[in-house]
Amino acid sequence: DTAVSQTPKYLVTQMGNDKSIKCEQNLGHDTMYWYKQDSKKFLKIMFSYNNKELIINETVPNRFSPKSPDKAHLNLHINSLELGDSAVYFCASSLGTGEINFGPGTRLTVL
Amino acid sequence: DQQVKQNSPSLSVQEGRISILNCDYTNSMFDYFLWYKKYPAEGPTFLISISSIKDKNEDGRFTVFLNKSAKHLSLHIVPSQPGDSAVYFCAAVNTGTASKLTFGTGTRLQVTL
Repeated sequence: DTAVSQTPKYLVTQMGNDKSIKCEQNLGHDTMYWYKQDSKKFLKIMFSYNNKELIINETVPNRFSPKSPDKAHLNLHINSLELGDSAVYFCASSLGTGEINFGPGTRLTVL
Repeated sequence: DQQVKQNSPSLSVQEGRISILNCDYTNSMFDYFLWYKKYPAEGPTFLISISSIKDKNEDGRFTVFLNKSAKHLSLHIVPSQPGDSAVYFCAAVNTGTASKLTFGTGTRLQVTL
């Protein structure tokens, strides 16, 4: 009964490939997020969706495209992967303000 | 432009003693602050929070203090236990805008026996 789940947990791929990370939350939250933790351990928001609508889009290359088929899911698709995309990606959800619940993370390694 | 800073990347404390983790912020529009705890290979988990209308919030062994004039908050853990060993992230948000948490870079706490 994991609250925020994401798959896969580990992803190793070659440069130039396209990959997706899936995220689901069963908390009934309206807002979902993607955060990226880079090699310097900064946790930075990438996107936020509220009821399937994009509300936050930080300065992220347009190779990254989030898709929210319903308010319980927010998937992240990455085109033409680059070495610098290697990081841990965390999905999260919240009721809208304050505390957010994180998923376990997906460690992406681009070779 | 790091709006939330945790200047100590690591801290080592003996079991039973007090752990004090510090966090500074620069954005005066932040009105809600949170601490998250992260174990290796897991996502951050919420620990404790404080609204800007308060200066202290306590939950069991964990207390968060907020000094708005200094734009500083701290997390106190008393007594520290080995299971507290983790990375602690401070986060801040302006609840009047879209709820974008801004995180510090984290402090790795090691509680030794």
